[in-house]
Amino acid sequence: QKEVEQNSGPLSVPEGAIASLNCTYSDRGSQSFFWYRQYSGKSPELIMFIYSNGDKEDGRFTAQLNKASQYVSLLIRDSQPSDSATYLCAVGGDYGNNRLAFGKGNQVVVIP
Amino acid sequence: EAGVTQFPSHSVIEKGQTVTLRCDPISGHDNLYWYRRVMGKEIKFLLHFVKESKQDESGMPNNRFLAERTGGTYSTLKVQPAELEDSGVYFCASSQGLGQGIAETQYFGPGTRLLVL
Repeated sequence: QKEVEQNSGPLSVPEGAIASLNCTYSDRGSQSFFWYRQYSGKSPELIMFIYSNGDKEDGRFTAQLNKASQYVSLLIRDSQPSDSATYLCAVGGDYGNNRLAFGKGNQVVVIP
Repeated sequence: EAGVTQFPSHSVIEKGQTVTLRCDPISGHDNLYWYRRVMGKEIKFLLHFVKESKQDESGMPNNRFLAERTGGTYSTLKVQPAELEDSGVYFCASSQGLGQGIAETQYFGPGTRLLVL
């Protein structure tokens, strides 16, 4: 069983719409959750982190965490062409375990 | 503030050769991590340094891989001898090491693209 799963396939959204990305994880002991954005050939860049159940908003981005259901999601509101990238979900372990487990990523294409 | 840097950006070598990758973390970051992404797969953890000590090397695939971080600053990852399946993108990341217990934000470098022929 994969540790972190992201639904496959590119996501195409029109400019100005909401992009919704989901991620599930298998380790119930996971404590920290990250969304990274990666442009082709570039380094993964942190967008959001979330540690507690519920929603966390930062500008046009909202991360949602539900530890009981073991999923974390990312919403991108008012999508812009510059949001076109691959979004990586990463999950950190419990105390003392700093290694991140990544999903394969979701490609988002914002159509002008 | 300079980010995480990696050298080289690309490397093409033949099977059986040796390659050494270098990572310079963000200044002052005690934690340094190596990850790898092979074609079509997710990014996978290789190992974690705290200063010059290996905290967790559970992700290292085999003894052909040797990571060092002498002096607790930059790190090198040597692959000797390289095999075809070692091809991929090798990422380095660093984090401050605030001792908060929970996994803290890791900042990634641009990666080294390794191709073994």
